[in-house]
Amino acid sequence: DVKVTQSSRYLVKRTGEKVFLECVQDMDHENMFWYRQDPGLGLRLIYFSYDVKMKEKGDIPEGYSVSREKKERFSLILESASTNQTSMYLCASTLGVGTKNIQYFGAGTRLSVL
Amino acid sequence: SQKIEQNSEALNIQEGKTATLTCNYTNYSPAYLQWYRQDPGRGPVFLLLIRENEKEKRKERLKVTFDTTLKQSLFHITASQPADSATYLCALPTGTASKLTFGTGTRLQVTL
Repeated sequence: DVKVTQSSRYLVKRTGEKVFLECVQDMDHENMFWYRQDPGLGLRLIYFSYDVKMKEKGDIPEGYSVSREKKERFSLILESASTNQTSMYLCASTLGVGTKNIQYFGAGTRLSVL
Repeated sequence: SQKIEQNSEALNIQEGKTATLTCNYTNYSPAYLQWYRQDPGRGPVFLLLIRENEKEKRKERLKVTFDTTLKQSLFHITASQPADSATYLCALPTGTASKLTFGTGTRLQVTL
């Protein structure tokens, strides 16, 4: 079974702090994604990566950056956390494209920025 | 612009009945469509994928239809059980290779 592990289930941070959210997958997947999920807005793509050190902006990249130094690990960084970044953050990975593009999600990190 | 619509109102049905959830989309011509299940506080879990040339796909008590003319997919759960209570999301491929865009989901509540 594919396993996508997010480092924290719950996180509370203060405004202005630098926040790191870590995601690790164990299936040698090429593609990894970071989403945030808010009530009424659904899943929105922040960033994705299709290879080590490669990244592309998603629909809402402002205020975020990412790092992918190793294939299995994809990190989301909030450079200076703000209250409007309070949300559920979900990491996903997928092996391929087309009909192989099944996304496997982590359990999520619920981040509160005070 | 591209849009995916799922009924935002919760669907309440009685155990044993068939639940039908709808996913409508505009300005897409997807090669396939996916359905995911999400339980509260958890990440989505993949259920089914249906290709554009498939009219219907089944997996146990689940059935998905895909009408590319109507730009609609229907997701059915037959003989529903309380354990089927969850939010169900549809997803379409968009843009670059492995990107998916998700609908906002429909919450299903199955009562005894």
